[in-house]
Amino acid sequence: QITLRESGPTLVKPTQTLTLTCTFSGFSLSTSGVGVGWVRQPPGKALEWLAVIYWNDDKRYNPSLRTRLTITKDTSKNLVVLTMTNMAPVDTATYYCARFVSALPVVAAFDVWGQGTMVTVSS
Amino acid sequence: EIVLTQSPGTLSLSPGERATLSCRASQSVSSSYLAWYQQKPGQAPRLLIFGASSRATGVPDRFSGSGSGTDFTLTISRLEPEDFAVYYCQQYGSSFGGGTKVEIK
Repeated sequence: QITLRESGPTLVKPTQTLTLTCTFSGFSLSTSGVGVGWVRQPPGKALEWLAVIYWNDDKRYNPSLRTRLTITKDTSKNLVVLTMTNMAPVDTATYYCARFVSALPVVAAFDVWGQGTMVTVSS
Repeated sequence: EIVLTQSPGTLSLSPGERATLSCRASQSVSSSYLAWYQQKPGQAPRLLIFGASSRATGVPDRFSGSGSGTDFTLTISRLEPEDFAVYYCQQYGSSFGGGTKVEIK
């Protein structure tokens, strides 16, 4: 069974750095074609892709947030960490991590998602 | 960066009716890289369609995807009560469309 779980602070102050951890099980991030990504969703709004890290340590970021994001992985511990600097109230959202697969039987999609973690940015 | 535009924003239909959702890309997208997700209130998104037309495991066959290039479509042949939700398209694990809400008329 594949599971992903997000963890991190529920409240951060403006200008602070957010650090979120995605802990997963049931797959390995050293398997070719596999990645883990982050997606967020402000209350009542659409999904926004943030970043993804692949099995080969390749990383992709949302261009509009590129300067604020860093994604890393620890394959031995089955976890992926996302940091976002200079947080502001507009960054208040539910943050999801999800497994990305680019090999059969699923191609180029997030096939399993965590339940999400709500982060509020407020002083 | 490829921008995905979904239409309509809201679709008001009755159970049993057919739903047709559109996703248009700002530049050509490989069909292999187009996915559709369903999201219900308070839940994480669920993968429905990958590779533009392949159903994910456990997805009923009333859901179908089609399209190529810049124009893609998600069709729900006969709406069931559990299908009323928000649907998003996405290209290659990156940008999402703005979503289409399918609501009960």
